[in-house]
Amino acid sequence: GAVVSQHPSWVICKSGTSVKIECRSLDFQATTMFWYRQFPKQSLMLMATSNEGSKATYEQGVEKDKFLINHASLTLSTLTVTSAHPEDSSFYICSALQQGFFGQGTRLTVV
Amino acid sequence: QKEVEQDPGPLSVPEGAIVSLNCTYSNSAFQYFMWYRQYSRKGPELLMYTYSSGNKEDGRFTAQVDKSSKYISLFIRDSQPSDSTTYLCAMSQSGGSYIPTFGRGTSLIVHP
Repeated sequence: GAVVSQHPSWVICKSGTSVKIECRSLDFQATTMFWYRQFPKQSLMLMATSNEGSKATYEQGVEKDKFLINHASLTLSTLTVTSAHPEDSSFYICSALQQGFFGQGTRLTVV
Repeated sequence: QKEVEQDPGPLSVPEGAIVSLNCTYSNSAFQYFMWYRQYSRKGPELLMYTYSSGNKEDGRFTAQVDKSSKYISLFIRDSQPSDSTTYLCAMSQSGGSYIPTFGRGTSLIVHP
């Protein structure tokens, strides 16, 4: 079946550095992808909607300059956490919800 | 009040028991109801997808929606230790380019 592949599955970075997370649809085209953030024992919170060929739509309270989203092709969306800080440590998950499929998630730890 | 309420548990049951997982919601516009299974440090996996009220069965899993009560359930028959994980409910207003609202998940433990 259709698969959404997310990479890396985990990353540790130093405070102040940037981290890029990739989300690929492997056997279907995704004009729209969604990026979520999940804290332990909490629900998924939508951060932004990524649209192929256009600017992403961010949810209220999400800093667009901090969480850069690029959706350059129908199979790839990227989320870059810029100037990461410890409070950005979380589980980030992408989804191609047209199909109801989620990526494996990326656990980000900023030290 | 949150749009979707889900008891985080944990819910502990013996192997073979019937498990009942539930969510309530406040937005009467929700029409699509989903249940996901999420293992630790993994993305959610879609289990069941239901439109409007009624029941839907898939193997040992049954999803039930009662829109009049704004209440949805997931039943697991003959539960197994391998069913132990977190179950998330989600719901949305439309099925096309919908953006679901998630519950916080219920942790299920099925002990041998």
